[in-house]
Amino acid sequence: DTGVSQDPRHKITKRGQNVTFRCDPISEHNRLYWYRQTLGQGPEFLTYFQNEAQLEKSRLLSDRFSAERPKGSFSTLEIQRTEQGDSAMYLCASSPQRDMNTEAFFGQGTRLTVV
Amino acid sequence: DQQVKQNSPSLSVQEGRISILNCDYTNSMFDYFLWYKKYPAEGPTFLISISSIKDKNEDGRFTVFLNKSAKHLSLHIVPSQPGDSAVYFCAASGPFNTDKLIFGTGTRLQVFP
Repeated sequence: DTGVSQDPRHKITKRGQNVTFRCDPISEHNRLYWYRQTLGQGPEFLTYFQNEAQLEKSRLLSDRFSAERPKGSFSTLEIQRTEQGDSAMYLCASSPQRDMNTEAFFGQGTRLTVV
Repeated sequence: DQQVKQNSPSLSVQEGRISILNCDYTNSMFDYFLWYKKYPAEGPTFLISISSIKDKNEDGRFTVFLNKSAKHLSLHIVPSQPGDSAVYFCAASGPFNTDKLIFGTGTRLQVFP
């Protein structure tokens, strides 16, 4: 396994359109996270799955955003009715579940541009 | 409310010298701290971490120091190399094995020959 994989790497869409991103985590990792990064900022937490269960959602995740991880493997993040403010780098990360804290491994991200 | 702060947006260091990147946090419930390195158009790459039960962790050229009373941590890179030029993010998580990370805004390190 080569790491966390995200698709597409880049997406340009018109305002009002829907977009969907995919994340394939490291295979033995049961925790999966979505973050968003805008220019000049650090990544901001959006949501978190343990296996197929979505355990936490940030208030940044408006009702236009939905994330799924149906079989506890890959995950999708959908943004409906995109707005220019949604333009950002969307990062996926995964980590194994352990008794102690462990680092998360990030994918290369999907850069979304809403025009 | 910015719970993790990196007050220096940029740092320039000569090759071979020490780079010191600083990070402050406000939430005393954080119990795990990490440093990530990020190149343009790539995702963050994990560098080094430290648990709140320690005050120092070392991995090769990278050392992280934690001062809990001051709610401050720092990353030392010795010796600095041109390939270290990147944006460095401090992150924190906690309490109790909560893996959600709270990131700082990053410090851009430039190592020049």
